[in-house]
Amino acid sequence: QQPVQSPQAVILREGEDAVINCSSSKALYSVHWYRQKHGEAPVFLMILLKGGEQKGHDKISASFNEKKQQSSLYLTASQLSYSGTYFCGTEGSGNTPLVFGKGTRLSVIA
Amino acid sequence: DAMVIQNPRYQVTQFGKPVTLSCSQTLNHNVMYWYQQKSSQAPKLLFHYYDKDFNNEADTPDNFQSRRPNTSFCFLDIRSPGLGDAAMYLCATSRVLAGPETQYFGPGTRLLVL
Repeated sequence: QQPVQSPQAVILREGEDAVINCSSSKALYSVHWYRQKHGEAPVFLMILLKGGEQKGHDKISASFNEKKQQSSLYLTASQLSYSGTYFCGTEGSGNTPLVFGKGTRLSVIA
Repeated sequence: DAMVIQNPRYQVTQFGKPVTLSCSQTLNHNVMYWYQQKSSQAPKLLFHYYDKDFNNEADTPDNFQSRRPNTSFCFLDIRSPGLGDAAMYLCATSRVLAGPETQYFGPGTRLLVL
């Protein structure tokens, strides 16, 4: 079942923060986050596993709330290079491929 | 560098004329996927191979077929492309199907149907 992402789109000025949410109606084993720039392939950002972990690198981090079946991606002090569409992919159980959400289009302006 | 390669990057075909897209990988991954992505939409899984085991998504049209002759290569055949098949086609690989294993995407082939 396709996860639901929110918001659908967001516009930020450089230096502002954003949160992108990904939620599922089914129990999740893992959540994968990707960023895709226009006309390019999705690029892997990070994976979070059930257990409520939080990960991050540079100024992009994410959390996974297993009980709420929700993951959030946090972008702090946004840069122009953060612009793109962010997809979450969820895995509900072993041996099943990821199902991607519809994406959140992020635009960072100067 | 280990990577996922797709050829061609752009493909123009005529309505109803068969077309084949190719994907190769140097990662030696067991799983290969084909996705269709239309403008402003999420990648939609068409099928995947776990080694030689082929898995077709229930809603993948019969018009789409795939071959995986060996670990490194995978092909997407569209037997009779329609205008609605114009899209970006993404190939991806992963070491295993489940668990904390990321998928690595190729650059995609953009298909235009005239």
